[in-house]
Amino acid sequence: AQKVTQAQTEISVVEKEDVTLDCVYETRDTTYYLFWYKQPPSGELVFLIRRNSFDEQNEISGRYSWNFQKSTSSFNFTITASQVVDSAVYFCALSEYYSGGGADGLTFGKGTHLIIQP
Amino acid sequence: SAVISQKPSRDICQRGTSLTIQCQVDSQVTMMFWYRQQPGQSLTLIATANQGSEATYESGFVIDKFPISRPNLTFSTLTVSNMSPEDSSIYLCSVGNREGQPQHFGDGTRLSIL
Repeated sequence: AQKVTQAQTEISVVEKEDVTLDCVYETRDTTYYLFWYKQPPSGELVFLIRRNSFDEQNEISGRYSWNFQKSTSSFNFTITASQVVDSAVYFCALSEYYSGGGADGLTFGKGTHLIIQP
Repeated sequence: SAVISQKPSRDICQRGTSLTIQCQVDSQVTMMFWYRQQPGQSLTLIATANQGSEATYESGFVIDKFPISRPNLTFSTLTVSNMSPEDSSIYLCSVGNREGQPQHFGDGTRLSIL
């Protein structure tokens, strides 16, 4: 069975600090996909990034960066120079290979509540 | 990305009643999913809504409690039956087309049971 663990329930930092959100996953599949979503106080879920199991390249997008390491089954997310608008709950999620074609449902971690203080 | 509309956006219901939530997408999609987010919690997959066949339910969720319809490639409904206060949650619809593609979510239905 697949599982996603976000051990950090809540993180509070002062604006402009860097912050890393941890995600550890478990799956028996060799083909799988990892995602990060953001849920601001308004409640909608915003897709941030996707990684497939064959692509271990790290990615940087503006102030966001992601570190995918299969050896440790981790997919961590770093925000550089955090801003108050980054305050939200961040979810890491996993989907496995779906042999029937199309997409598979997501397994979510419990989320990390990130608070950026001015 | 697809535009997903959920109705109602919120509701307050009496114990023992049922509510049907609608999910409409502005384009044809292969897969539609229903999730539940209990207060302060993460999202849990309820079921995959299959077009033209019965939904596929996850462990802990049953058709009698959460009947789902998917009459075409752009529309699905989730009914929460015989509601109790424990059913107070946000119910979200999501859509996906291909394996590994990110799922996009509707804004959710906030349901409170008195």
